[in-house]
Amino acid sequence: DGGITQSPKYLFRKEGQNVTLSCEQNLNHDAMYWYRQDPGQGLRLIYYSQIVNDFQKGDIAEGYSVSREKKESFPLTVTSAQKNPTAFYLCASSIGQANEKLFFGSGTQLSVL
Amino acid sequence: AQSVAQPEDQVNVAEGNPLTVKCTYSVSGNPYLFWYVQYPNRGLQFLLKYITGDNLVKGSYGFEAEFNKSQTSFHLKKPSALVSDSALYFCAVRDRRSGTYKYIFGTGTRLKVLA
Repeated sequence: DGGITQSPKYLFRKEGQNVTLSCEQNLNHDAMYWYRQDPGQGLRLIYYSQIVNDFQKGDIAEGYSVSREKKESFPLTVTSAQKNPTAFYLCASSIGQANEKLFFGSGTQLSVL
Repeated sequence: AQSVAQPEDQVNVAEGNPLTVKCTYSVSGNPYLFWYVQYPNRGLQFLLKYITGDNLVKGSYGFEAEFNKSQTSFHLKKPSALVSDSALYFCAVRDRRSGTYKYIFGTGTRLKVLA
C-alpha cells in the first residue's frame, strides 16, 4: 500500500538530548512537510521541502533541523535548543502543485522525561 | 497577515441532524480551500477541496462544503450526522501564487455527534 510512515509512534526525550523522527513515503511525491500540533493551536509548519537536497524553514523552525537526501525520506531532528518539544508531530507529502491535497502520516507523540 | 479562522472550538449535534462546521479565511487573491478530518492519535485525512467552479463541493463520507467568495467562507456541511463523524476537523487554505508552498490551517473544530 502507498502511504507515509512515521516512526516511532511515541518518543521520549531527556533534557539536552537530540532526537530524530522518521518520515518515509512511497507515493513518489516531490514535496514533504513537517507540522507540529499543539492542543488549540492547529498545525504549525516547521520545515518543508519541494525537492531533494532542498528545504525551507516554516513558521517555527527554531530548535529543529531536517535533511532531504532521498525523495522518499524527510527526517526531523528535535535539538536540545527546542525548549518546549512536547507535541504531536505530523509529516505530510504532496505532489507539489498548489491545488493538491496533503497526505499525512499517523504522527509521532514526543514527550519530555 | 494570512489567516484561517474556525470560530467554534466544539460543535455538538444530534445524530441524524444536519451539521455545519464554520471556516473563514483572510488570504489575498483566490486561494485553494481544503477540509481535513483527524481521528484520535492519527494523522489528518483529506475530505474535500475547492479549486474553481461550482460553489458547492462534494467530498468523502457524505460531506460537502459551500464556498462563499463575498464572505470569504468555506463552511463544511453534512445533511445527516453520524456518531462516527465525531472527530477534529481542520480547514486549510493555500495561496494560488506560484512559489508559495505553505498551507495555512485553522485551529480545528471538534465535532461531537450525540446518539
